[in-house]
Amino acid sequence: AQTVTQSQPEMSVQEAETVTLSCTYDTSENNYYLFWYKQPPSRQMILVIRQEAYKQQNATENRFSVNFQKAAKSFSLKISDSQLGDTAMYFCAFVSGTYKYIFGTGTRLKVLA
Amino acid sequence: DAMVIQNPRYQVTQFGKPVTLSCSQTLNHNVMYWYQQKSSQAPKLLFHYYDKDFNNEADTPDNFQSRRPNTSFCFLDIRSPGLGDAAMYLCATSRGRLADQETQYFGPGTRLLVL
Repeated sequence: AQTVTQSQPEMSVQEAETVTLSCTYDTSENNYYLFWYKQPPSRQMILVIRQEAYKQQNATENRFSVNFQKAAKSFSLKISDSQLGDTAMYFCAFVSGTYKYIFGTGTRLKVLA
Repeated sequence: DAMVIQNPRYQVTQFGKPVTLSCSQTLNHNVMYWYQQKSSQAPKLLFHYYDKDFNNEADTPDNFQSRRPNTSFCFLDIRSPGLGDAAMYLCATSRGRLADQETQYFGPGTRLLVL
């Protein structure tokens, strides 16, 4: 069975500093996609970043970047220059060959002023 | 801007009283999904439509139904809400179900309260 594990239920970071959220997954598939979604309190879940497994280059989106280690089945999210607006629940998700996302349990990130 | 819209944002209903939540999209995506999300948990997929083809998840209670009258709209019907159905309901869309079409875009959600 495919699983996604986020081992950090809660994290905090000082404004302007860097934080890394971890995600590991388990699959026997070779082709798949990985995502990080951000869900601010009482607000919409939005896509932060997407990684195709066949691409060796790590995806980046402005202050957000991933460290994708396919052999280790690891997909961590790095947030640089953290801002108060980054406070949110972050979900890691996996999908392979079907429509069905496998979500992790989420990491609640709080950015401190 | 192309988007996924959910109405209402908050819905209060009484125990056992049917309720309908709506979702619309301007992305022209083929697939629409309904998720249930309880506090601080990951979203749980209830069902999805691929065009007009309805796909129910095996563990979705019969109390939950869905309709998709056209590409843009999808409805979630809860026939007899129980207290355990109080949750956030998320609608999402994707272009398709094949590789490179699977990215899902979420609406803002409808928070359902059952009294």
